[in-house]
Parts: sequence; C-alpha cells; structure tokens
Amino acid sequence: DAGVIQSPRHEVTEMGQEVTLRCKPISGHDYLFWYRQTMMRGLELLIYFNNNVPIDDSGMPEDRFSAKMPNASFSTLKIQPSEPRDSAVYFCASSLVTPQETQYFGPGTRLLVL
Amino acid sequence: QQQVKQSPQSLIVQKGGISIINCAYENTAFDYFPWYQQFPGKGPALLIAIRPDVSEKKEGRFTISFNKSAKQFSLHIMDSQPGDSATYFCAALPNSGYALNFGKGTSLLVTP
Repeated sequence: DAGVIQSPRHEVTEMGQEVTLRCKPISGHDYLFWYRQTMMRGLELLIYFNNNVPIDDSGMPEDRFSAKMPNASFSTLKIQPSEPRDSAVYFCASSLVTPQETQYFGPGTRLLVL
Repeated sequence: QQQVKQSPQSLIVQKGGISIINCAYENTAFDYFPWYQQFPGKGPALLIAIRPDVSEKKEGRFTISFNKSAKQFSLHIMDSQPGDSATYFCAALPNSGYALNFGKGTSLLVTP
C-alpha cells in the first residue's frame, strides 16, 4: 500500500484566498484524522471521521475551516478565507478499526499564507 | 490546554549514549500511550506504545517505562545512533475517546 497520500505537499497563498488540502487514506481504514502542527502549539487534532462521518470537529479553530469526506478514499480540509496564522503543516492520518490502532500519518502539507 | 506535558524540548546525546524523554499526564482516563517518531519533512510514525497494565515495554533499543501512580511515562533509547536524530512525541488516548493528545515534542540530536 502507498500509505496515506496528501496533496499538495506545499502551498503558498495570499491572505483571503481559499485553500483546499486533500487526503487519501489507506484503503480499508475506518478512521481519518486531520491534524495541524505548529511550533507554538505542537500537533493538534482538528477533526476526525469514522466511516466517512465526522465524529468530532471540536478542534476546528474557526468557521473558516471545514472538512468533508465524500467517500472512503478521499477527504478535504478547506480554509476560506485563509489568514497568515493558518500557516502550519497539516497532516492527515488514518487508522484501522479504532483509534487505538496505529494511526498512519501522511507526509503533510506545508501551508504558508502570506 | 496541553494534557500531556513532555520534556525536555531538545536533547543532545553522543552516539552510544542513552536518550531519555519524559512525559506526564493528569487525566486518569488515559489508557493508551504511544510514542511517535518524526523525521524532517515526514509525518509522525508510531515507534512503540504501552498500556497501563504493564510497567515497561521494550522493542529493540527502545523502551517505555510507565509509572501509573505518578502518571508519568518515559522513552529510553539505548545505544543511541545518529539515525535516531528526530523529533519524538509522546501521546495519550482516553479509554472512551478517539483523539490522541500529543506532547509538544522533543528534538533529539545524536552526535557521532
């Protein structure tokens, strides 16, 4: 298996623009997680899905952030409008059956909002 | 609010030495404690994990020591190698929850 796939790997955009990050989880995994990593706050869970259904989005910082999982093999995290403080590395991870199983992380998307 | 406190923030160890990273938690509902290793430009990857019914778990050169009464756990890397240079994150998961709570990470540098 190719592992968790994320695109783009790098994104540079201007404040106010819409940003869409994409994730393809490992086939057969039931759980999908979106994390954000910054120097100040470390790794933060933004939202997770179980069988394509959002379960907990309490980590989503603001209404500017939204996430969808239209099918078992694809998820998006959208920021609209983007702000400089959104600059971070965004990781997608997936796990099989339960979160206590290993969470497999993708390579991340490094986002810079100017 | 950081539910898992990790120290030190950075660590330099000579090749062959022992690297020790400590974590502490308050929430007694946590019952799964993984450690993740992250190399620059990569996502974190599970290194080793422990549940509170054991006090120690060893996998090769990596050992987790767990002290339930003190609510502390630590990662020991024996015979540290330059290839171990990475950022290490401890984490904790509650028994009825789904969100891993990560420590802020320790940047380990093993010098030749």
